[in-house]
Formats: sequence, C-alpha cells, structure tokens
Amino acid sequence: EVQLVESGGGLVQPGGSLRLSCAASGFTFSNYEMNWVRQAPGKGLEWVSYISSSGSTMYYGDSVKGRFTISRDNAKNSLYLQMSSLRAEDTAVYYCARQPGEFHFDSWGLGTLVTVSS
Amino acid sequence: QSALTQPASVSGSPGQSITISCAGTSSDVGSYDLVSWYQQHPGKVPKLMIYEVAKRPSGISSRFSASKSGNTASLTISGLQAEDEADYYCCSYAGSSTWVFGGGTKLTVL
Repeated sequence: EVQLVESGGGLVQPGGSLRLSCAASGFTFSNYEMNWVRQAPGKGLEWVSYISSSGSTMYYGDSVKGRFTISRDNAKNSLYLQMSSLRAEDTAVYYCARQPGEFHFDSWGLGTLVTVSS
Repeated sequence: QSALTQPASVSGSPGQSITISCAGTSSDVGSYDLVSWYQQHPGKVPKLMIYEVAKRPSGISSRFSASKSGNTASLTISGLQAEDEADYYCCSYAGSSTWVFGGGTKLTVL
C-alpha cells in the first residue's frame, strides 16, 4: 500500500524557516516524480513544487520561487521542502503528492500544517 | 500561473446529473490534454477522480466523466449520490513541470 507521511509542520514567525519531510513507503520511491501541494485554511489547492525522480530537476510556483527548495533522498525514501522567508500567506496544510510518470497526482499524504504568525 | 476558474458551488438532487466547468487559458487547459480532477471531502485528502481529461483511475465509478473543449474542461457526475457531496478541483499541466489548480467547487447534494 502506498503511504506518504508528512512531518515538520508547526508554528513559525514571519521571516522564519521550516523544513518539511515526507516519508514514502509501499512503492519504489526512486522511480517517481514528486510534488508539494498546499491548501490554505478554507481555501483551494495550490501547486508548490516539483522534483524529478533523480532529484536533478526542480520547479516552483511563482509564489514560492526563491524562498522554497525541494529536495529528495532516494536512499531514505524521503522528500523534503525547505521553506525560508516565510510569510503569513504561506500558512497552509502542505501535502506531498506522487506523480506516476504522467501529469497528475495519484497519491497524497495526510498533510502537515504550517502556521506563519507572530 | 493564474488559478483556473471554477464555479464556487453547484447542487443537484439524488439521481440527477451535474456538470462542473473549469476555465483556463491557451497556456494551460488549451495547450495540453492533461487536465485532472480531484475530489476532497471535508477534512480529508484529495482523491484523483479523472486524469488526462477523461480517463478514470481504477476503482472510480463510471458515474464520473469528463471532457475538454478549447480552454475549458468539464466534469460531469451522473446519478448523484449523497456520498458525492464534496469539493472538486480541476488541475491542468501548464508546461515545464508546473501545474495550476482551479479554485474548487463545492457540490451539494440536496
């Protein structure tokens, strides 16, 4: 069974940093492209970032470009999102999502809540 | 990367059919047959319902169908059931490994 478990969320002050993790199991992690998608409280989904299966290629949404860094460790079956210069508008549940070699997201974690507030 | 446009809400009675529209641009929906749809029940994780415009993943009911014309995609749910009440999001590939979601549509089964 595919499992994605995010962690690392919490309360952080504006301008602060946080590192999210996503532990994958139940599939060959290194074969899959991965993404982060977020959802602000009561709001819709927003794509945040993409990373290729090898970790060599990354892309970001305009709202986080230059502030967030996606990475992965295939030996540890883990995906990461390093977030810096955090703003109140970054407050959201952050989901890691598996991309099955195509252009959609077929498995999602339960999410981890990031709250940016003073 | 502007969000795709969906109606905020739609409603229908059990057994009826409803359609949710998803308007994009020539840079996303209009350029790629790579629209997907996700269902999200309150407090739950998004679930893939449709991919590549009209394909259903294994296990998804045939009551869910979808299509695309020009810059607009649509999701149709036939034979509405109470369990279909949820938020629905469209999503389009927008090139260079980037994606854009719609704002979401709340489906109410009357």
